[in-house]
Amino acid sequence: DVQLVESGGDLVKPGGSLRLSCAGSGFSFSRAWMSWVRQAPGEGLEWVGRIKSKTDGETTDYAAPVKGRFIISRDDSRNTLYLQMNSLKTEDTGVYYCATYTSGASWGQGTLVTVSS
Amino acid sequence: DIQMTQSPSSLSASVGDRVTITCRASQGISNYLAWYQQKPGKVPKVLIYTASTLESGVPSRFSGSGSGTDFTLTISSLQPEDVATYYCQEYNSAPYNFGQGTKLDIK
Repeated sequence: DVQLVESGGDLVKPGGSLRLSCAGSGFSFSRAWMSWVRQAPGEGLEWVGRIKSKTDGETTDYAAPVKGRFIISRDDSRNTLYLQMNSLKTEDTGVYYCATYTSGASWGQGTLVTVSS
Repeated sequence: DIQMTQSPSSLSASVGDRVTITCRASQGISNYLAWYQQKPGKVPKVLIYTASTLESGVPSRFSGSGSGTDFTLTISSLQPEDVATYYCQEYNSAPYNFGQGTKLDIK
C-alpha cells in the first residue's frame, strides 16, 4: 500500500524559513510526480506545487501565492520529497500534505505549520 | 489555469436520500478528477479517483461519473456518517485546483 509520512511542521515567526519532508513507501517513488497540498484553519484545500519525476525532467510548478518563496525538491535515493518554505507569512499557516496521483490519489496525514509572532 | 466550480456549496438531506454533488471544469480534464470527503478535524479521505474508480474500502453507495468538463459524485442512500465536506480536484494539469467544497449535513 502507498504510504506517505510528512514531518517538519513547527511554529515559526513571519519572515522565517522551514523545511518539510515527506517519506514515501509502497510505490515506485522515483517514477511518481509528487505534490504538496495545504489547508488553512477553517478553509478549503489548496494545491501548493508539484515536482515531476527525474525521467520527466524533475520540473516544478507552484501555486501563485507561494511562487518565488517555496521550493519543492526530491531525493529519490531516500524516497523523500521536500518543501523548503522561505519568507513565511501568517497566511501560510495550515496543515501541509504531500500527495501523489500516480496510481489513484494518495495523501499523507499532514504536518502542521504555524506562522506567528 | 483550470477552474473547478463545485455545487451546491451546502446541502441538507434526509437519511436514505440520493445525494448528488457536481463539479465543472473550465476546460477539459479527461477523467483526471478525484473526490474527497473531509470530516471535521480529520484528514481528507480519497473516495474516488479517475472520475469513477472507487478507492479501496469506500462504501459502494458512493459513485462518481463524468468526463471532460462535467462530473458528479453520488451517494445512493445517505447515511448519518456521511456528514462531511466534499471536495473535487482536477489533476490533469498544474495547478491541480480544488472545488470550493460542499458541506453536507442531515436534515
